[in-house]
This record gives sequence, structure tokens and C-alpha cells, in this order.
Amino acid sequence: DQQVKQNSPSLSVQEGRISILNCDYTNSMFDYFLWYKKYPAEGPTFLISISSIKDKNEDGRFTVFLNKSAKHLSLHIVPSQPGDSAVYFCAARRAFGGSQGNLIFGKGTKLSVKP
Amino acid sequence: DAGVIQSPRHEVTEMGQEVTLRCKPISGHDYLFWYRQTMMRGLELLIYFNNNVPIDDSGMPEDRFSAKMPNASFSNLKIQPSEPRDSAVYFCASSFNTYEQYFGPGTRLTVT
Repeated sequence: DQQVKQNSPSLSVQEGRISILNCDYTNSMFDYFLWYKKYPAEGPTFLISISSIKDKNEDGRFTVFLNKSAKHLSLHIVPSQPGDSAVYFCAARRAFGGSQGNLIFGKGTKLSVKP
Repeated sequence: DAGVIQSPRHEVTEMGQEVTLRCKPISGHDYLFWYRQTMMRGLELLIYFNNNVPIDDSGMPEDRFSAKMPNASFSNLKIQPSEPRDSAVYFCASSFNTYEQYFGPGTRLTVT
């Protein structure tokens, strides 16, 4: 049972345009959401996060939106740059329960930004 | 800070051999996580520690896998005996207060 889903395995965008990566979750106990970026042969790198009490968090070119009623979050990259080409993972943290500390990851979306 | 350090970066071994993967978390972090990444299953949590104590090992695939954290600066993951289906990239991550986790570069394990 996949609690965090990234339904698009890949996305291709032109340089300078907006990239929108989507993520859906099923567990209403999640209270904190994160996006990670991963380049080949490297570990995932933390990018941006959002608490469930907010609906938007912005950091430079990156903005994360959270729609709790739809159990949906998205990452917007504006403008997209070729260096943004990577695999992006969505992750969620449980607020309570036996596994409070761990993150549940989606399977990732490979973003390709073309010059 | 040097970040999370993992060794070795690559490991090639024969089926049946013991494999030991090592991790040094970021100083001051109180959580340590071991993940495995495969094409089929993506990034899956194997086990995590809080203040050196294992909290959840439900992701450990079977008894062939074990992990320890003898002190705040070191953890290892052992596979004994190793099998070809254990081939994957193994990541270690650490965090402070269960928020953002910081990953190491990973160990690519190949079992032939």
C-alpha cells in the first residue's frame, strides 16, 4: 500500500518555463511534507518542506503548495534551469504513532529541463 | 560539517559472503536511518535509531540483515549471508528532531 504517490515517473520542461511536480498521499496522520532532489550517484538532498498547518512555502525559485482536503502537494520550480534536471522525491512524516520519526517516500519523478 | 559519511561507496561481493556497510552521521543529530533503493521498490526504510536505540526495524527484509549503533558517531548495517537480490544502493541518513533528513552518498552493493 503506497501512502505517498508520485504518479508521473518523468517530466520534461523547457528552460525558463515552470516545472510542476505532483504528489498525493493517503494518510491523514502526516503532518510534515518534504521534497528531495537526487542527482545520479549521489544521495537525496533536502530541498524544501511544509508543515500541515500551512498551505504554501516559498524558497527562491521553489514553492511547495499543500492542499490538505485533497491530500495533494506540488512543487513549483520557476524558472526551470538545466541544473534542476534530477529525480525529485516527495516525502511525508507521521505525526504520531510507533514510527513517528521516519519519512515515507514516493517513488520519484525524473525532471528533465531542456535548454 | 562533512555531512553524512558512508563507506564503502561501492562493494562487490559473492553470494554467501558477509557485507558490512558503515555510516557516520552528522554530529549532533539524534536520529539515524538506513534506506535501500531499488528500481522496483524505490527508496524504502530498513531501520532507524533514536539516540542510538533502534526504534523501528520493521523494514529489515529478513534475519540476514542486522544493524547496530554502538555510539552517536557510528552505525553499521550487516548482511550475512548476502544474496544477489540484496544488490541495491544503501543510504544512511541522519536528522535532528525528526524533521529534515540528510543523506549520505550511498553504498552501491552488487552481490554476484
